[in-house]
Amino acid sequence: EDQVTQSPEALRLQEGESSSLNCSYTVSGLRGLFWYRQDPGKGPEFLFTLYSAGEEKEKERLKATLTKKESFLHITAPKPEDSATYLCAVQARETAGNMLTFGGGTRLMVKP
Amino acid sequence: DAGVIQSPRHEVTEMGQEVTLRCKPISGHNSLFWYRQTMMRGLELLIYFNNNVPIDDSGMPEDRFSAKMPNASFSTLKIQPSEPRDSAVYFCASRRTSAWSYEQYFGPGTRLTVT
Repeated sequence: EDQVTQSPEALRLQEGESSSLNCSYTVSGLRGLFWYRQDPGKGPEFLFTLYSAGEEKEKERLKATLTKKESFLHITAPKPEDSATYLCAVQARETAGNMLTFGGGTRLMVKP
Repeated sequence: DAGVIQSPRHEVTEMGQEVTLRCKPISGHNSLFWYRQTMMRGLELLIYFNNNVPIDDSGMPEDRFSAKMPNASFSTLKIQPSEPRDSAVYFCASRRTSAWSYEQYFGPGTRLTVT
């Protein structure tokens, strides 16, 4: 069974204080790993897809990396508007279709 | 380009009543997903459709839940009869089946409260 575990559950940062969010996964052959951002009262917003170990993707202050067992979402010099819940999900190669398995999320709070 | 559209955004109903949630996927997307999100269980897949055909409904909690997709631009999730434990945020997501991208795009959700 595919499993995704995110840590920490919550993270408080001061504005400008860089940090990383972790997503550990167990899947029988990874097709893709996805990062989403979710603001309160809204649906998850797609950020990145990573397909293979060693791959990296960046968007503004966010950078996602992938190894064979985990992914990191690095946040450089965060701003208060980066406060949100960040969700990680995986899709297995053997999945008959397009199903994603989501982690529990990391709630990020950036204080000015 | 319009994203996934869901209605209603909020629904409050009494136990035993029928509830119907609606979703319009992004134009051109041929896969549609219904999820439920709660604090306790996070985001759970209920059912998904490919080209309007239900492919996997193993996440549907009980026979009280049913979903339809009569055409490529509309889907419904129905709960009959509703119970307080069905209270959650229900999301619809869609994607275009492609060999190069697998990401799903989510709607704003329907917050359901069953009293």
